[in-house]
Amino acid sequence: EDKVVQSPLSLVVHEGDTVTLNCSYEVTNFRSLLWYKQEKKAPTFLFMLTSSGIEKKSGRLSSILDKKELFSILNITATQTGDSAVYLCASNTNAGKSTFGDGTTLTVKP
Amino acid sequence: EPEVTQTPSHQVTQMGQEVILRCVPISNHLYFYWYRQILGQKVEFLVSFYNNEISEKSEIFDDQFSVERPDGSNFTLKIRSTKLEDSAMYFCASSDSLAVNYEQYFGPGTRLTVT
Repeated sequence: EDKVVQSPLSLVVHEGDTVTLNCSYEVTNFRSLLWYKQEKKAPTFLFMLTSSGIEKKSGRLSSILDKKELFSILNITATQTGDSAVYLCASNTNAGKSTFGDGTTLTVKP
Repeated sequence: EPEVTQTPSHQVTQMGQEVILRCVPISNHLYFYWYRQILGQKVEFLVSFYNNEISEKSEIFDDQFSVERPDGSNFTLKIRSTKLEDSAMYFCASSDSLAVNYEQYFGPGTRLTVT
């Protein structure tokens, strides 16, 4: 059974801090690893990673995948209160089946 | 900016009733998905759909569930005989490719409450 495990489950930081969110996976027919941000309702896409060692960046967010060790990290630098959300990691297979982790709830205090 | 839409936003139904949840994916997208999220729990994959066929489905997607693309724009999820445990937020998503750079766009969700 495919499995995605995220850690920590929750994190409280202050504005300006840097955070690292972790995601490990065990997936048959792995194709890609995705990160999403979920605030009130639907997840919004952040990154898709398919190759090891290539960092993807978007503003203060960055992510990298290690296919040998089967994990990914999501970094957020200079956190802001607007970064408060649940961050979801999901694996995708070649047929488009996704397995989500439980998410990391990030709270950024002013 | 194009977006995935879902109707209704909230559906209340009695146990044993059939429900149809509707989604309009982004117009040039080819791949469609349904997910559900029970309150306080993780997002769970239900089914992926491409070229008028199911590509992949999870263990949750049993005979009570079906999907259909009845016309060029809608993508529906039918639950034949709802159970209390079907109460959840149901998200539809679409993408234009399974290829390397694809991104799944999620709709706002339909909250299904089974009483």
